[in-house]
Amino acid sequence: AQSVTQLGSHVSVSEGALVLLRCNYSSSVPPYLFWYVQYPNQGLQLLLKYTSAATLVKGINGFEAEFKKSETSFHLTKPSAHMSDAAEYFCAVSGNTGRRALTFGSGTRLQVQP
Amino acid sequence: GAVVSQHPSRVICKSGTSVKIECRSLDFQATTMFWYRQFPKQSLMLMATSNEGSKATYEQGVEKDKFLINHASLTLSTLTVTSAHPEDSSFYICSARPTSEVYEQYFGPGTRLTVT
Repeated sequence: AQSVTQLGSHVSVSEGALVLLRCNYSSSVPPYLFWYVQYPNQGLQLLLKYTSAATLVKGINGFEAEFKKSETSFHLTKPSAHMSDAAEYFCAVSGNTGRRALTFGSGTRLQVQP
Repeated sequence: GAVVSQHPSRVICKSGTSVKIECRSLDFQATTMFWYRQFPKQSLMLMATSNEGSKATYEQGVEKDKFLINHASLTLSTLTVTSAHPEDSSFYICSARPTSEVYEQYFGPGTRLTVT
């Protein structure tokens, strides 16, 4: 079984500041981890994914995440926030067998202040 | 590439009627498609996994007779909400996994269902 915990349902940063969105996972098998972004009334867009290759993963729009097995974490970062980054962010975990369905965290709403 | 569409984007129906939502992979074939439900300001909950040519696999607590899923081709899956009630009002999102992929899913834009 897998689960994901996203700490902080709301995060607010100033434009140009560091973005840090936290994700911790639990998995009985080697996990595959994903970050998605959702804009209002839209589907999900993949930001980046970890599938057992490099532990530091770079994604789109300047985001990156680091897989830390010892901490069971996969935090999402971006050095400098833009206004357009304001959205809902979901961390998700998938197993490596069977249906490989995604289990999502509860989401973090990122606000970017001018 | 890897575009998934959903139709309709919004639908309003009366209580007791049925509504069909289509999920199409436009530029790839998908053996597996997933259906999710999202309540306002909440996360996505997996409802069922749809496999082309076979019966869908429903998650625990999801009524398979109420949420009928058909995956008749490699590019189309449908979700029919039967005898809809106001509590079925939600945002329904599908995703599709290309047959060439192991983990990747591409998400549709979602369908907002309102039952009056």
